[in-house]
Amino acid sequence: AQSVAQPEDQVNVAEGNPLTVKCTYSVSGNPYLFWYVQYPNRGLQFLLKYITGDNLVKGSYGFEAEFNKSQTSFHLKKPSALVSDSALYFCAVRANTGGFKTIFGAGTRLFVKA
Amino acid sequence: DAGITQSPRHKVTETGTPVTLRCHQTENHRYMYWYRQDPGHGLRLIHYSYGVKDTDKGEVSDGYSVSRSKTEDFLLTLESATSSQTSVYFCAISEGGGRAGNRPRNTEAFFGQGTRLTVV
Repeated sequence: AQSVAQPEDQVNVAEGNPLTVKCTYSVSGNPYLFWYVQYPNRGLQFLLKYITGDNLVKGSYGFEAEFNKSQTSFHLKKPSALVSDSALYFCAVRANTGGFKTIFGAGTRLFVKA
Repeated sequence: DAGITQSPRHKVTETGTPVTLRCHQTENHRYMYWYRQDPGHGLRLIHYSYGVKDTDKGEVSDGYSVSRSKTEDFLLTLESATSSQTSVYFCAISEGGGRAGNRPRNTEAFFGQGTRLTVV
């Protein structure tokens, strides 16, 4: 069965510092991996995805994520955090073996302090 | 939000009553999903559809049913609402990957604005 773990409920970082939001996954076959962001009272917005190819993928708003197959991880990163990055971040996985169910993690709340 | 409309946006209903939430898309995407969002649980998949009249259960399908009679509409029904179904419900759509001619189909999901349902 597919599953996604986001081990940190909350991540605190100072503005200008690098940030990392962690995600590990379990899925049969090759995974499709995604990061989404949710601002207050809004739906989720797509940030970036890994399907195949280069393990480092770049997305919106300066975010990037690194796919590590051996560690089954897909951590979200940004070199320099902004206060406006404060939001709820979700990692998601979809199996590449039919069904196309997309399963989300519980979310990590990011606080960026000025 | 990518041509997805959820209705109603807010609803308060009484325990034991049936409730239907509607998701309408104008993107002609094949896949449609219903999720619920609860504190500490993130988003949990209720049901999803991979085509007209083709649906399957997700992680938390008990007490919910769905129907998809047209590509553009995906209905979520709570047969007899309970207080545990108080939540924010999100619809999502996806092309599902693969190719449409020379163009790769998107694999990511696009979300509606959500429906806040309160069961009293």
